[in-house]
Amino acid sequence: AQTVTQSQPEMSVQEAETVTLSCTYDTSENNYYLFWYKQPPSRQMILVIRQEAYKQQNATENRFSVNFQKAAKSFSLKISDSQLGDTAMYFCAFIPSGGYQKVTFGTGTKLQVIP
Amino acid sequence: DAGVTQSPTHLIKTRGQQVTLRCSPKSGHDTVSWYQQALGQGPQFIFQYYEEEERQRGNFPDRFSGHQFPNYSSELNVNALLLGDSALYLCASSSWSGGSYYTQYFGPGTRLTVL
Repeated sequence: AQTVTQSQPEMSVQEAETVTLSCTYDTSENNYYLFWYKQPPSRQMILVIRQEAYKQQNATENRFSVNFQKAAKSFSLKISDSQLGDTAMYFCAFIPSGGYQKVTFGTGTKLQVIP
Repeated sequence: DAGVTQSPTHLIKTRGQQVTLRCSPKSGHDTVSWYQQALGQGPQFIFQYYEEEERQRGNFPDRFSGHQFPNYSSELNVNALLLGDSALYLCASSSWSGGSYYTQYFGPGTRLTVL
């Protein structure tokens, strides 16, 4: 079974600053995918960024980037130039590759961007 | 391109009643997964449908059942409602045949309140 741990229940950052959200996971799988999802108060779960475990290069999407450390089973999200619209719950998620698999989510980090 | 849609937005039921929630996947997607998200928690996987069959199931009792229709839309049914079933129910779609199975896109959710 897979587990996903987000050890920061809440974080805050000043507008325009950079913040890093942590995520660790436990699995015996070698091939898998990792995701960060954002859930604003409107509650729509939005895909932020995706990382394939077989790719060594860290994924980036505009202001969002990840630091993927496969050996350490760590997958952190860095948000640069934070904006008020980044205020949301952020969930780290894991899915093994191969066959029909389910997504396992962490418990989330509540991020508040302060003007 | 329509995203994942869910209905209804909100629902209030009493203990012992039955409820049906509906989901239409993103255009081009053929796989639908359902999640339960309790307040302040990450989503928990309920089950997944592909080709009108349940392919994966999480740790939920048989009171939770589902269906997928030929047009890939899906229903989640919950019988004999308990107070603990109060939650946000999320539907997510992906494409098994299209090769993007591992990335799931979420709908806005249905907020179920059981009194």
